[in-house]
Amino acid sequence: TQLLEQSPQFLSIQEGENLTVYCNSSSVFSSLQWYRQEPGEGPVLLVTVVTGGEVKKLKRLTFQFGDARKDSSLHITAAQPGDTGLYLCAGAQVGYFNKFYFGSGTKLNVKP
Amino acid sequence: NAGVTQTPKFQVLKTGQSMTLQCAQDMNHNSMYWYRQDPGMGLRLIYYSASEGTTDKGEVPNGYNVSRLNKREFSLRLESAAPSQTSVYFCATTDGTRGRNSPLHFGNGTRLTVT
Repeated sequence: TQLLEQSPQFLSIQEGENLTVYCNSSSVFSSLQWYRQEPGEGPVLLVTVVTGGEVKKLKRLTFQFGDARKDSSLHITAAQPGDTGLYLCAGAQVGYFNKFYFGSGTKLNVKP
Repeated sequence: NAGVTQTPKFQVLKTGQSMTLQCAQDMNHNSMYWYRQDPGMGLRLIYYSASEGTTDKGEVPNGYNVSRLNKREFSLRLESAAPSQTSVYFCATTDGTRGRNSPLHFGNGTRLTVT
């Protein structure tokens, strides 16, 4: 079993729709990062959240860290085909700020 | 400025063969990591090195060994490859100077098939 569970695993939507991806754990993390990965490449950081309840916005993407620092969500407003990719959350284990565990990933396909 | 370079990009091994995956970074980062990525499993931490001279196990270390040769290089060795080790392997680095805000920087992966 993985430390971080992501849902849904797959998401196929039409351009213009909204969506939310969830990242859940029973463990507390000192920070939570979200990455996006394109085929044939390594993941690239989108955002880091470190404070319980923190909300960060990156254009049409909104990231939230749960109050207890055990979960996070990524909300995309008015999805576009360019948002297509694999979205991964990663948590830094408490006490080991530079030891990162990843979720299982959400594969998003946005159809024009 | 190459960032994180992994070699080779592709490799096919027979069961029982050994090989070393190489990772080199020119970002002067302290921490380096090896992850494997399998369909539906995200990335799983194999080993990591918080700083030069130290290594520690991650989630799935069995069947692997690592060497932090110097600050720049971190290698992953498969002593006796098994089909279950067919995967895409990613090396990553972070400088750690921003604490919890330190991002991971990834290479482009090594695609390994064990037959």
